[in-house]
Amino acid sequence: EIVMTQTPATLSVSPGERATLSCRASQSVSSSLAWYQQRPGQAPRLLIYSTSNRATGIPVSFSGSGSGTEFTLTISSLQSEDFAVYYCQQYHNWPYTFGQGTKLEIK
Amino acid sequence: QVQLQESGPGLVKPSETLSLTCSVSGGSITSYNWSWIRQPPGKGLEWIGYSFYRGTTKYNPSLQSRVTISVDPSKNQFSLKVTSVTAADTARYYCARGMAGIIDYWGQGTLVTVSS
Repeated sequence: EIVMTQTPATLSVSPGERATLSCRASQSVSSSLAWYQQRPGQAPRLLIYSTSNRATGIPVSFSGSGSGTEFTLTISSLQSEDFAVYYCQQYHNWPYTFGQGTKLEIK
Repeated sequence: QVQLQESGPGLVKPSETLSLTCSVSGGSITSYNWSWIRQPPGKGLEWIGYSFYRGTTKYNPSLQSRVTISVDPSKNQFSLKVTSVTAADTARYYCARGMAGIIDYWGQGTLVTVSS
């Protein structure tokens, strides 16, 4: 099983600033990496797939990069609704696995 | 707009079988793959498995001996059964639509507690 490790566990950022979240895979997942946002009390929502492709309706403020084992989600200018938990997920090998999440909180 | 809705008991006794159903509206269940994903309280996400309506079914090896996912195209529903449950199976269970390993639609989730 591929283990996904997200850092940091919690990130404190002020509104309007930039946030950078990291995700590392225990072995190469090529570009088969997705990011999800989960707001309190809600189901996760797909943000990014294939490392860098925004899902339908996702603002351009969200961008993804990386390959192999190192990936990054960047939110360029944080809005109030962006403060949530973010999960990365690999779909290179079954079982597909998620990171443990990064909680993005207001500084 | 595709919508998914989980249904089933919110409380299951230890050693019994957890059974959930997901009703799909706004799209046909004969396309895509259909997944169950769970999230223990305050924890991360675990993919339980997925199934196509005809063909491949994949289960997480950690649960494979206890899990069955089936698709009923006549009702546009799919279901999850987990046998011999313990407290470790307490979680919010999400049904979801998958496409090549990516989940693009999620249900709201249903909390299942395992307790006597």
